[in-house]
Amino acid sequence: GNSVTQMEGPVTLSEEAFLTINCTYTATGYPSLFWYVQYPGEGLQLLLKATKADDKGSNKGFEATYRKETTSFHLEKGSVQVSDSAVYFCALGTSGTYKYIFGTGTRLKVLA
Amino acid sequence: DTAVSQTPKYLVTQMGNDKSIKCEQNLGHDTMYWYKQDSKKFLKIMFSYNNKELIINETVPNRFSPKSPDKAHLNLHINSLELGDSAVYFCASSQGDSPGYEQYFGPGTRLTVT
Repeated sequence: GNSVTQMEGPVTLSEEAFLTINCTYTATGYPSLFWYVQYPGEGLQLLLKATKADDKGSNKGFEATYRKETTSFHLEKGSVQVSDSAVYFCALGTSGTYKYIFGTGTRLKVLA
Repeated sequence: DTAVSQTPKYLVTQMGNDKSIKCEQNLGHDTMYWYKQDSKKFLKIMFSYNNKELIINETVPNRFSPKSPDKAHLNLHINSLELGDSAVYFCASSQGDSPGYEQYFGPGTRLTVT
């Protein structure tokens, strides 16, 4: 079946450090891939997405590239800010299933 | 304008009680979902409705009963609440079943069963 595996947290970084959160997936067909972010006390919101191989999603300085050969969708940001502290979820959606598979979430804490 | 709203935001109740959580979306989406998020932030899908029809029921105890009176609303009723039901429940919606459509989440309802 379909699955998403993302690195366990928490990840603690200093402000302006480089961020990578790893995400790999298993899926039949051609899934779409997403990163969602959940700030404390809030619901999830879409950060970025990619719908086909080699697509790069980007938003607010975050980027992720859909790599079919390595079945990966790693999230990166060149310089994190304290305001990026949140839980990040990798997710995939496949056609006709009405179901998105979410990873377990990675908590990011950025220190000033 | 809140895209996906849930009420109540907090719900504290005793074991054995029955409670409901309401969800409304004003995005014109066809598909709505209920998720349960545990204390470790693990997000598990419970139900999905498309055009008011139940599409997904993910091995959820039958004490949980979703109801969709129309496309814009998906409510969750829980009978005989148990301690293990304590969690944050999120409602979400999406435009349809295409894998490219993102999901829009509500702010969550924190349920505490004592």
